[in-house]
Amino acid sequence: DVKVTQSSRYLVKRTGEKVFLECVQDMDHENMFWYRQDPGLGLRLIYFSYDVKMKEKGDIPEGYSVSREKKERFSLILESASTNQTSMYLCASSGDRGYGYTFGSGTRLTVV
Amino acid sequence: QQQVKQSPQSLIVQKGGISIINCAYENTAFDYFPWYQQFPGKGPALLIAIRPDVSEKKEGRFTISFNKSAKQFSLHIMDSQPGDSATYFCAATFTKAAGNKLTFGGGTRVLVKP
Repeated sequence: DVKVTQSSRYLVKRTGEKVFLECVQDMDHENMFWYRQDPGLGLRLIYFSYDVKMKEKGDIPEGYSVSREKKERFSLILESASTNQTSMYLCASSGDRGYGYTFGSGTRLTVV
Repeated sequence: QQQVKQSPQSLIVQKGGISIINCAYENTAFDYFPWYQQFPGKGPALLIAIRPDVSEKKEGRFTISFNKSAKQFSLHIMDSQPGDSATYFCAATFTKAAGNKLTFGGGTRVLVKP
């Protein structure tokens, strides 16, 4: 069974901390994505990557950065966590020959 | 700005009824329109998708209707079951762009009452 695995289901961090969210996929997909999910706002794209070491800003990149050193791993970094970054974070991947995403189960991040 | 607008935000339907969720998009370059289903505690999963060269696609009890001129598409869930209770997201993408990134609607929480 194909999988996208996010390292943590729940995280609680303090304001100002540097936070790393990890995502690993086992499908040899070229494309990987980070979304945040907030009630009424749906899923908003933070960053995506279509190749190793390649990254592109999504719709809401401010306060975030990403890293993709290996094809299977895509990390989301909150440089200095703030309370307005409290959210559900979803990682997804897709291959170039298909347009469907496979999502991870999400990381619910609370910044206090 | 929100390029894909979804309505309603929530709906309640009786078992056996029809659930209808509507989406409207702005970008005429979009050429692939999937719907995702999300259960609590899980990530969204692809449910059904359509391309703008067809007006309707049906898979089991789920049907997408597509109106290219109005830039609207909708999901119909026929004979709704309690197991269909979930949040549904419409989405759109331009498949020739690098990465095939999806733009999602705001989501609709569907509750099917037994």
